[in-house]
Amino acid sequence: DAGVIQSPRHEVTEMGQEVTLRCKPISGHNSLFWYRQTMMRGLELLIYFNNNVPIDDSGMPEDRFSAKMPNASFSTLKIQPSEPRDSAVYFCASSPGTGGRGNQPQHFGDGTRLSIL
Amino acid sequence: AQSVAQPEDQVNVAEGNPLTVKCTYSVSGNPYLFWYVQYPNRGLQFLLKYITGDNLVKGSYGFEAEFNKSQTSFHLKKPSALVSDSALYFCAVRDMLMNTGFQKLVFGTGTRLLVSP
Repeated sequence: DAGVIQSPRHEVTEMGQEVTLRCKPISGHNSLFWYRQTMMRGLELLIYFNNNVPIDDSGMPEDRFSAKMPNASFSTLKIQPSEPRDSAVYFCASSPGTGGRGNQPQHFGDGTRLSIL
Repeated sequence: AQSVAQPEDQVNVAEGNPLTVKCTYSVSGNPYLFWYVQYPNRGLQFLLKYITGDNLVKGSYGFEAEFNKSQTSFHLKKPSALVSDSALYFCAVRDMLMNTGFQKLVFGTGTRLLVSP
């Protein structure tokens, strides 16, 4: 089975540019999570979708960050404008379960390493 | 809110020796606990979970974890460490989102395991 697929794997861009990260969850999984990992702050949950609907976006750091899930097989995380402090590894994860109430583990993609110069 | 603590930033062990990676939790109600492993440049991979039942949970790659309610701990263990076990290990606890019925995972800060030959 294909796992969670993220693209690009690496992104280097200049401050002020728009960045779009993409995620394809595992087919049949109805919960999707975006995380950010840095040395300073560890692993942070940014936003959580269930059945394509955002459930909790309290972790989104600023209005510069936005996330969408137009259908069950695709999600994007956008940063506009980007800043050097946004440099991090961004992970997408998905899980099965009924409305997110299950106890199934999350399956992570291999992440996008983002560097903002 | 639910939380987990990983008191050790790094654990060093010689190959062939038993290993323990510590995790303590703070929850209201019954805890749902997880262990994940992260290899370099990869996403987190699920190892095992405790929901209910036996206090000793067996997982992938020969790992197991012991749930101890009186000590509020969920330590990860392996009888004989391998060099290939060297990685970053995360403990996590399920947290329910208020008034939604949905859940998310709250991760610890991670423990780096280094197994020397």
